[in-house]
Amino acid sequence: QLQLQESGPGLVKPSETLSLTCTVSGGSISSGSFYWAWVRQPPGKGLEWIGTIYYSGSTYYNPSLKSRVSISVDTSMNQFSLKLNSVTAADTAIYYCARHSTSSLVSWLDPWGQGALVTVSS
Amino acid sequence: DIQMTQSPSSLSASVGDRVTITCRASQGISNWLAWYQQKPEKAPKSLIYAASSLQSGVPSRFSGSGSGTDFTLTISSLQPEDFATYYCQQYNSYPLTFGQGTRLEIK
Repeated sequence: QLQLQESGPGLVKPSETLSLTCTVSGGSISSGSFYWAWVRQPPGKGLEWIGTIYYSGSTYYNPSLKSRVSISVDTSMNQFSLKLNSVTAADTAIYYCARHSTSSLVSWLDPWGQGALVTVSS
Repeated sequence: DIQMTQSPSSLSASVGDRVTITCRASQGISNWLAWYQQKPEKAPKSLIYAASSLQSGVPSRFSGSGSGTDFTLTISSLQPEDFATYYCQQYNSYPLTFGQGTRLEIK
């Protein structure tokens, strides 16, 4: 059964860079030609798609975050990563990694990781 | 961007009730719509995809319908474990966008 697990610092200072890694287990990140995504959820609020990466490295970002976000993949480690720079308190959120459900970019998200809370504060 | 609007934002219901949640897209998305259930402190879980297809393992009391701009999620007979927040999401075009959520509470 495919499982995803987010990891990274839970506290980031304003203006610094948020970095998270999603480790995939139970399957290879490069098999099946799947796409992999990051989604965030501010405390008590709704869901926002951040971006998606193909196992080969092609990326798709939310225009609202595009100038600050970078997603990369490391197939040898079976991981993909998120970097968000110049963070502010508005970036405080639970960050989820997820897999697109089919090998098409036009697909819903399933499964999801359990989420990682990142707080931006000095 | 395609805006997704859910109604109601919150809903109180009793075990055994039939409940319907609506999701409207700001432009046509064919049937490229998914529904998720999220319980407190948990990640979203996929329930429905392609507007009306049930994700494997999801109870048959959940159903979805609609196409174009108007969609519904129906729970035919509420069970205690169904009290949660529900989100719709369009995957017709990028950026992917979600509805604001509907919180289903126990009456």
